[in-house]
Amino acid sequence: GAGVSQSPSNKVTEKGKDVELRCDPISGHTALYWYRQRLGQGLEFLIYFQGNSAPDKSGLPSDRFSAERTGESVSTLTIQRTQQEDSAVYLCASSDVGQVDEQYFGPGTRLTVT
Amino acid sequence: KQEVTQIPAALSVPEGENLVLNCSFTDSAIYNLQWFRQDPGKGLTSLLLIQSSQREQTSGRLNASLDKSSGRSTLYIAASQPGDSATYLCAATTNFGNEKLTFGTGTRLTIIP
Repeated sequence: GAGVSQSPSNKVTEKGKDVELRCDPISGHTALYWYRQRLGQGLEFLIYFQGNSAPDKSGLPSDRFSAERTGESVSTLTIQRTQQEDSAVYLCASSDVGQVDEQYFGPGTRLTVT
Repeated sequence: KQEVTQIPAALSVPEGENLVLNCSFTDSAIYNLQWFRQDPGKGLTSLLLIQSSQREQTSGRLNASLDKSSGRSTLYIAASQPGDSATYLCAATTNFGNEKLTFGTGTRLTIIP
């Protein structure tokens, strides 16, 4: 594809509900990353997928957060039992590891937990 | 643990001036240093990437430098324009094979027409 795409662009959910956020990486990119940006704060790394290797989950803030990726395609970030502190912009990026490893970002999903 | 700092948090300059944005990092064993811009309500646009073996990269009016020994990178913007107004973020990756970016908190740049 032309770039990284994410859906939905905006999501408003009630506290306690589960949400799923989707990321479509650039075709051929083997690495995929999730970050989040809470209001007034910097971007925080959440999780990293590289090919068929075990994902690096070291940035996930709690066990309510999980992510999956099928092969080298779409990834889904799931947040269970959402809390107000989960409100943030969730950004996905992909890169072609082995080359320059430049990361390309999607437009993000703005999650608001009410 | 890598920490990335950007000072100042905000900067306003008149149109046409040249300016420098600063980024410092604590772990000199970086693999890549990447500069992004972020416009309100939008994702990140990659501007320049400097690999650890390089000292600078240029694209149009932008020039980014990297000094690993001092733990610093700068983004130079020449002949600033109102369209350059955005938040500028620097980010570093530390180890090959573990490419997560550690971000600074950004500098919000306003170019005054």
